[in-house]
Amino acid sequence: AQKVTQAQTEISVVEKEDVTLDCVYETRDTTYYLFWYKQPPSGELVFLIRRNSFDEQNEISGRYSWNFQKSTSSFNFTITASQVVDSAVYFCALSGSYQKVTFGTGTKLQVIP
Amino acid sequence: GAGVSQTPSNKVTEKGKYVELRCDPISGHTALYWYRQSLGQGPEFLIYFQGTGAADDSGLPNDRFFAVRPEGSVSTLKIQRTERGDSAVYLCASSLMDSSYNEQFFGPGTRLTVL
Repeated sequence: AQKVTQAQTEISVVEKEDVTLDCVYETRDTTYYLFWYKQPPSGELVFLIRRNSFDEQNEISGRYSWNFQKSTSSFNFTITASQVVDSAVYFCALSGSYQKVTFGTGTKLQVIP
Repeated sequence: GAGVSQTPSNKVTEKGKYVELRCDPISGHTALYWYRQSLGQGPEFLIYFQGTGAADDSGLPNDRFFAVRPEGSVSTLKIQRTERGDSAVYLCASSLMDSSYNEQFFGPGTRLTVL
């Protein structure tokens, strides 16, 4: 069985602060994929990143960075210098041998101007 | 081209009624997925199509839920004898190929309210 845990339900930060969203996963698959999606107030899920289980390199894209650690089954997401437009619900997700994608319960990020 | 579209955007129905929710995937995408998202929760997998066939329907909650994709493109999620607990946003996603590696593109969802 697959499971994704996002322990942080809601986070509030002041604009320009850095913020890290935590994600812990469980799977028995040896090959799997991890994702982060953003869901702004408009509701449509927006893909941010995909990682496969064989690639533990951290990744940076602009103000976004991701830290994948297999040893702790974590795939954390950091936003540097947060902006009001970053306010959204962020979902971590996991896909294993099959097409089924398991999502976490999401972390609601509020960036206060 | 256009993204994934879903119709209607909102559907209000009475308990016991039948509803159909439609999804138009991105042209050329062979894989199509349905999810259900309840308030404050992440999307919950319902069913996955590869082409015309349902490759995995393990997420359908019971036999009141059924989905089809007769021509391998548009899909319809059908809910019989709706119950108040069916109220949720129903999301559709499509991806290019049959692989966990491929990004799923999501539609805006259909908000179903069962009174």
